[in-house]
Amino acid sequence: EVQLVESGGGLVKPGGSLRLSCAVSGFSFSSYSMNWVRQAPGKGLEWVSSISKRSSYIYYEDSVEGRFIISRDDARNSVYLQMNSLRAEDTAVYYCARVSRGYDRGEFDYWGQGTLVIVSS
Amino acid sequence: EIVLTQSPGTLSLSPGERATLSCRASQSVNSMYLVWYQQKPGQAPRLLISGASTRATGIPDRFSGSGSGTDFTLTISRLEPEDFAVYYCQQYSDLYSFGQGTKLEIK
Repeated sequence: EVQLVESGGGLVKPGGSLRLSCAVSGFSFSSYSMNWVRQAPGKGLEWVSSISKRSSYIYYEDSVEGRFIISRDDARNSVYLQMNSLRAEDTAVYYCARVSRGYDRGEFDYWGQGTLVIVSS
Repeated sequence: EIVLTQSPGTLSLSPGERATLSCRASQSVNSMYLVWYQQKPGQAPRLLISGASTRATGIPDRFSGSGSGTDFTLTISRLEPEDFAVYYCQQYSDLYSFGQGTKLEIK
């Protein structure tokens, strides 16, 4: 069974940092691109960042470029999101999601349950 | 950046009725890269349709997608109680972006 489990969310002050983790199981992690998607309370989905197999391609949404860093550890079957210089508008549930069929880009066929990040003083 | 605009924002229908949801792109999107998701309260999104019209595994055939270029449609032929949710379109022709969502509510 494919599973994606996020962790690391919590309450952080503006300007602070947080590192999210997404541990996966049930598939060959190294063969898949992964993404982070967030959803502010009561709002829609917003793509945040993407990392391809072997970390060959990394992309960020404009508002997080330079502040967030996506990475992966294939030995640990995990993808990470290091979030620095956090702002109130970064408050959201953060989901990790898998790109289907092992493509560099594509639809997201499996999602985690999300982890909540609250940026507030 | 490709902006996706979904309409209507909210759609109020009764079980058994037909639902038509629209997704319009700010520039042409290869239909192979247009996706629909369903999200219920407190849950992660679920993949419904990829390639504009291909149902994901386990998705009932009352769900169908169509469209090309800048205009795409998700149709639910006969609404079941479990279909009332928020629906998002997504493109990955140019990185990724989502529409703002259409809430399908019970009338």
